[in-house]
Amino acid sequence: GAVVSQHPSRVICKSGTSVKIECRSLDFQATTMFWYRQFPKQSLMLMATSNEGSKATYEQGVEKDKFLINHASLTLSTLTVTSAHPEDSSFYICSARPGTADLVFSGNTIYFGEGSWLTVV
Amino acid sequence: DAKTTQPPSMDCAEGRAANLPCNHSTISGNEYVYWYRQIHSQGPQYIIHGLKNNETNEMASLIITEDRKSSTLILPHATLRDTAVYYCIVREEDDYKLSFGAGTTVTVRA
Repeated sequence: GAVVSQHPSRVICKSGTSVKIECRSLDFQATTMFWYRQFPKQSLMLMATSNEGSKATYEQGVEKDKFLINHASLTLSTLTVTSAHPEDSSFYICSARPGTADLVFSGNTIYFGEGSWLTVV
Repeated sequence: DAKTTQPPSMDCAEGRAANLPCNHSTISGNEYVYWYRQIHSQGPQYIIHGLKNNETNEMASLIITEDRKSSTLILPHATLRDTAVYYCIVREEDDYKLSFGAGTTVTVRA
């Protein structure tokens, strides 16, 4: 299957600092990427939709000024957690959708990254 | 507002077929059934999807009832590495925002 890579896989940061998580689609160009958050023993919750070259669309209840999303290229989206607090500690997962012109990967299938564990101390 | 209903957990024996049910009684005509699984501490992995015909790939088979109100994911020969949370998701072809329910926690036992 297609590879979507996240970096870092684990990060620990101090309360009040900002941390950036990268999501790269290695096998296809992704016009749309998605960011999810998952707390222990819970399901994935969609945070925002990231579109290349435009502003992200945030789900209700997600603070756009706290979770900054940049989708600067067709293969890279970044999530920056600003002024992180311990309650932001979570598993952050991105997913990507191949463009409809991709000849190898179906634009109907969403591929997920490996996830990034964020711990705020 | 969950669109799918799955049993919270199930056990199966290694080497046997695992049949995972999913109810989606309110599915509309243009909604697909997708299955993903999430192994502990990893991102979800795509398994299979279908609209109304049964589908099979190297990982699993998907059986969709004629009225499309339910489906079954079949892992033909479960291994210990198939232990994971399995998510059944319905979505329209042009809606790429996946909504995850609680899924079914499948434990494969030796």
